[in-house]
Amino acid sequence: EVQLVESGGGLVKPGGSLRLSCAASGFTFSSYSMNWVRQAPGKGLEWVSSISSSSSYIYYADSVKGRFTISRDNAKNSLYLQMNSLRAEDTAVYYCARDGDSNTAFDIWGQGTMVTVSS
Amino acid sequence: EIVLTQSPATLSLSPGERATLSCRASQSVSSYLAWYQQKPGQAPRLLIYDASNRATGIPARFSGSGSGTDFTLTISSLEPEDFAVYYCQQRSNWPPATFGQGTKLEIK
Repeated sequence: EVQLVESGGGLVKPGGSLRLSCAASGFTFSSYSMNWVRQAPGKGLEWVSSISSSSSYIYYADSVKGRFTISRDNAKNSLYLQMNSLRAEDTAVYYCARDGDSNTAFDIWGQGTMVTVSS
Repeated sequence: EIVLTQSPATLSLSPGERATLSCRASQSVSSYLAWYQQKPGQAPRLLIYDASNRATGIPARFSGSGSGTDFTLTISSLEPEDFAVYYCQQRSNWPPATFGQGTKLEIK
């Protein structure tokens, strides 16, 4: 079964750091670009970051550039998001999502992990 | 940044009726538009990619059309499980990938 499972969310104070992980199974992880997408409580979806299959290409939303770092370990079938200098507006459910074969849509999503930034 | 505007914000229909959801882009995205369904407490699910291609396992009652700046998601005959929030998304001119604000399809 193709599956993505996120972990690492939690409660953190403003200015703090958190590292999210996404474990992939059921497909050849190293062949796919991967993404993080977030959703603030009661709000819509916001793309956060993307990384190509070999980590050659990395992109960030302006809202997180310079604070978040995406990475992957193809040997461990894992995707990561290092989040530093967290703000209240970063509070959201964070989803990892796989690029589909067309590279224009996200075809597989994890269940999400909640990040709450509050003092 | 390409802005996607979805309409209506809320659509109230009954099971068996036809649903038509719209997504308009601020500039051409060619055919690189996707549609997702999200139910409460769940992750989004890909329905349609490249404007008109159904994703794996998606029922034939879901169809997508359009190109350039105007796109439509049609559900031919609503089933009870179709009531959810629907988002469009583009990756034609990116980064960033952008999503519409969503259309809530609710039971009338």
